[in-house]
Amino acid sequence: DTGVSQNPRHKITKRGQNVTFRCDPISEHNRLYWYRQTLGQGPEFLTYFQNEAQLEKSRLLSDRFSAERPKGSFSTLEIQRTEQGDSAMYLCASSLAWGENSPLHFGNGTRLTVT
Amino acid sequence: QKEVEQNSGPLSVPEGAIASLNCTYSDRGSQSFFWYRQYSGKSPELIMFIYSNGDKEDGRFTAQLNKASQYVSLLIRDSQPSDSATYLCAVIDSNYQLIWGAGTKLIIKP
Repeated sequence: DTGVSQNPRHKITKRGQNVTFRCDPISEHNRLYWYRQTLGQGPEFLTYFQNEAQLEKSRLLSDRFSAERPKGSFSTLEIQRTEQGDSAMYLCASSLAWGENSPLHFGNGTRLTVT
Repeated sequence: QKEVEQNSGPLSVPEGAIASLNCTYSDRGSQSFFWYRQYSGKSPELIMFIYSNGDKEDGRFTAQLNKASQYVSLLIRDSQPSDSATYLCAVIDSNYQLIWGAGTKLIIKP
């Protein structure tokens, strides 16, 4: 399978705990994106990387959220001190960096439930 | 505030008919347009992308772009129950930001 891979698929955690998600992009894709999506809404941008460089981070993103892509391949998204409002589907996507118009290809997502 | 607008639906279409989904955008300098399909509980799946004015066809799907009127449409011919999903419109604006609509829920009735 050469698509975008995310794990875990589901995560249930108690409020105040830290969680970490992993994304493995399509191998030849330079760009990697993290989105969050709640029911009835389109994906909400969190951050994106080109290779190992984090080029943009949403201004709406709390300091509790951090993402890394240390070797320009897989990426991790960590949420510290989780809150119930963090419950959502966390989507990773990747794309080629040619031009500015390369379509995004999404992984299956990680569904986070904070109790 | 740059926006992408879609009717939330649900849009109900009989099986075998043409489903027409519309999306409008506010940034006249937008340059790339994408349609994604999302089944309940699943991640978005790319259906089509279009960059130039006019129509682009791929199987039962046709994307239509009208930059003067700032809208992009997706037509689904010979609609099947398996086409029932939420369809998301996404636009790359003049600042190279990807802006998402909230999606239109499509129901194909057998």
